[in-house]
This record gives sequence, structure tokens and C-alpha cells, in this order.
Amino acid sequence: AAGVIQSPRHLIKEKRETATLKCYPIPRHDTVYWYQQGPGQDPQFLISFYEKMQSDKGSIPDRFSAQQFSDYHSELNMSSLELGDSALYFCASSPDRPTGYTFGSGTRLTVV
Amino acid sequence: QKEVEQDPGPLSVPEGAIVSLNCTYSNSAFQYFMWYRQYSRKGPELLMYTYSSGNKEDGRFTAQVDKSSKYISLFIRDSQPSDSATYLCAMSESMDSSYKLIFGSGTRLLVRP
Repeated sequence: AAGVIQSPRHLIKEKRETATLKCYPIPRHDTVYWYQQGPGQDPQFLISFYEKMQSDKGSIPDRFSAQQFSDYHSELNMSSLELGDSALYFCASSPDRPTGYTFGSGTRLTVV
Repeated sequence: QKEVEQDPGPLSVPEGAIVSLNCTYSNSAFQYFMWYRQYSRKGPELLMYTYSSGNKEDGRFTAQVDKSSKYISLFIRDSQPSDSATYLCAMSESMDSSYKLIFGSGTRLLVRP
């Protein structure tokens, strides 16, 4: 079965650079979520999109932005990167019924 | 204080043991409860999903929810070394078209052969 696809798997950036993370949800899943997981931490909700519109926003810095495109894939753009942005970034998708999320394998971002 | 509390462990048990993992929460509006398993450097994998109070069984896994005590549990029977992972509880107030999950900090489980 198709899963949530994230790219790239690993990304190394320098401070103050910009990073773009991509997420391809499971087909016919109309909601996409972004979570940030620091080392030894639980996943923290960043932002979600339903039918290409932002539906909820969590603790996402102003330096980050995200959007969902017409083909339902989503991108998380992170600018002016800081060392503290180093984390695993997960994308998840869900269908329009209560069954729980499916997570992707994540993008490991390292800021040096 | 976090909305969802979970003992980080690690919890070390011998193969074949029954494992009990627990979370407590403070938000009485939570109605949907999930357990995720996360292997190192992988995304969380949904194990169990329950609505409101009660029990749900799936193979070796049983999830229990006690809303009156704001307490949820995951039991693993006949634990296997392959069950060694971090187990995250997660909960939500609603399951509308877009719903935010609040996670516990995860319990690291080690099943010794």
C-alpha cells in the first residue's frame, strides 16, 4: 500500500540558510500535517492543511511557512535556519474520517 | 505541566512478558486516543485507535481508556524482541476533517531475548 512519502530523507544546512521539505500524502487523503520532533522529544504539531487550505497552526516559527498544492503534496519552507531547528520533521496524512494519522519516515534536518 | 504525561522509561522486560504502557492526561475534552510505535529514526506507526472509554483488542495488543480517571493503557502480550521501540500515546479532542494530535513523550521499551 502507498505510504506518505517525504523528501529528502536527510538534509544538512548551514545557519541562516533556507530549507524546503516535501511531503506526498497517501492518495485520497485530504489532510496533511507537519510535526517537528527534537532529539528525545515527542512530536510537536506545526501546521495542517485540509483541501489545500491551512486548517490549524501550532508552534510554528514565523521563519517557517508551508502550503499544500493542487496535487495535495505539501512543502514546508524554513528560512534563516538556526541550530535549534535541527530535528526530525514528519509529515502525516489522514482521510476525511476518524482513523488516525499515517506518518511518513521523516526528514532529518541538521543545521550546522 | 504537559497535557499528556507518559513515563519515558526505559522499560526492560524479558521476551514473553506482558507489557503495560500508560499515559495520563489533563484535558477532559480528549475523546480519541491512539498508540503509536516508533522505531529509531523512523516515523511513528499507528498501532491502536480507540474512541471514548472502553477496551479494544488487536492481536497481542489491547488498548484501554478510562476517561473518568483520564488514564489510558496499552498492553502487549507475549512480548517479542521486535516490539523493542518507543511507544507514544496520542490524543485528540475531535476527529473533524483536520485534527491536531497531542503526544505523550514516549516510553522506550526493550524486550530482552
